[in-house]
Amino acid sequence: KAGVTQTPRYLIKTRGQQVTLSCSPISGHRSVSWYQQTPGQGLQFLFEYFSETQRNKGNFPGRFSGRQFSNSRSEMNVSTLELGDSALYLCASSPGGASYGYTFGSGTRLTVV
Amino acid sequence: AQKITQTQPGMFVQEKEAVTLDCTYDTSDPSYGLFWYKQPSSGEMIFLIYQGSYDQQNATEGRYSLNFQKARKSANLVISASQLGDSAMYFCAMREGPPRAGGTSYGKLTFGQGTILTVHP
Repeated sequence: KAGVTQTPRYLIKTRGQQVTLSCSPISGHRSVSWYQQTPGQGLQFLFEYFSETQRNKGNFPGRFSGRQFSNSRSEMNVSTLELGDSALYLCASSPGGASYGYTFGSGTRLTVV
Repeated sequence: AQKITQTQPGMFVQEKEAVTLDCTYDTSDPSYGLFWYKQPSSGEMIFLIYQGSYDQQNATEGRYSLNFQKARKSANLVISASQLGDSAMYFCAMREGPPRAGGTSYGKLTFGQGTILTVHP
């Protein structure tokens, strides 16, 4: 079956712009989580969505937001981009419920110039 | 305080030998899950192995095994018979709390800083 699909794979944006990243989870998975990976901070949790509701949120400013659609696809938005937002953004999907499996996508590498 | 600590920034191993990657964790939650992921240079996080806090046996998945010492709060990954393709970054991660039945889920993983493993021919 198809894995977790993240689009686009690479993105270059200018400071002050906004960006939207997309994540399509594995079919049947209802939970989608987002992570930011940088060389300095490592992997940090952004937020989790389950059945279109945000269930958990990490310690990021309000410029970072997300949503989940009825088909479980999720989008992440970053407004007013800063140079420090340059990172690999990873999405993970999980069946949710009483299951522990988290499958990650290949990520979107965002560069802010 | 660091919840997941990986003290080895880099490790080297000869092909076909075994290697242990260290991971210690800190939680007061009696129910938690521990994961190991492999991240090649392509960036994708590849799931390797999982250990639940109530699991009696150490987890094994093919060449991967998890040396779970609950009292010491350690969850070391052992890779047997290393292969050149094992060269990658390895992350230990923890989920605190049980995954809930009935429609909710804990989706937050806390990751360590990672260990870069290099396998020499």
